[in-house]
Amino acid sequence: GNSVTQMEGPVTLSEEAFLTINCTYTATGYPSLFWYVQYPGEGLQLLLKATKADDKGSNKGFEATYRKETTSFHLEKGSVQVSDSAVYFCALSDRGNAGKSTFGDGTTLTVKP
Amino acid sequence: EAQVTQNPRYLITVTGKKLTVTCSQNMNHEYMSWYRQDPGLGLRQIYYSMNVEVTDKGDVPEGYKVSRKEKRNFPLILESPSPNQTSLYFCASSKWGGTTNEKLFFGSGTQLSVL
Repeated sequence: GNSVTQMEGPVTLSEEAFLTINCTYTATGYPSLFWYVQYPGEGLQLLLKATKADDKGSNKGFEATYRKETTSFHLEKGSVQVSDSAVYFCALSDRGNAGKSTFGDGTTLTVKP
Repeated sequence: EAQVTQNPRYLITVTGKKLTVTCSQNMNHEYMSWYRQDPGLGLRQIYYSMNVEVTDKGDVPEGYKVSRKEKRNFPLILESPSPNQTSLYFCASSKWGGTTNEKLFFGSGTQLSVL
């Protein structure tokens, strides 16, 4: 079956530090990949996505590149802010298994001023 | 405003007492899905629906039922809740054009405690 593995958290950074959250996946088909963000007390919202190999998704200064050769979709941001504190989920949807989606365990990021 | 609305936001109940968590979306989305979020386990898919009267099991369907009689509504039913169903539940929806590229819109969540 499909699976998503995220780096374990929590992650604590100082403001303006560089952020990387690792995500690797296993899929039987050719998945679309997503990063979702969950702010305290809220539902998840899409941060960025990529639908084919070498695509780069980007939004709000965050980036992730779909690497088929390493089955990875690492999330990066050059300079984090306190407002980026949230839980980040890597996820995949498998076109061969329409309708099913698989999420990672989530990584909690805390940014300190 | 485009949104997915879940009710209730918080629910405390006792073992065996049937309950329904409602989910409604106003975006005319074909696809809807239920997830549970547990510490250390991330989000796990319970059931999903690709259109009216079309539902299918996710990864953890045991103990849950769903129905999709109307496009906008996708209630989650716990016929006989047990303490291991204590969790944070999310409903989500998206367009469905035959691909899995569309983003999911999530509700705000329902925190369920089964005593």
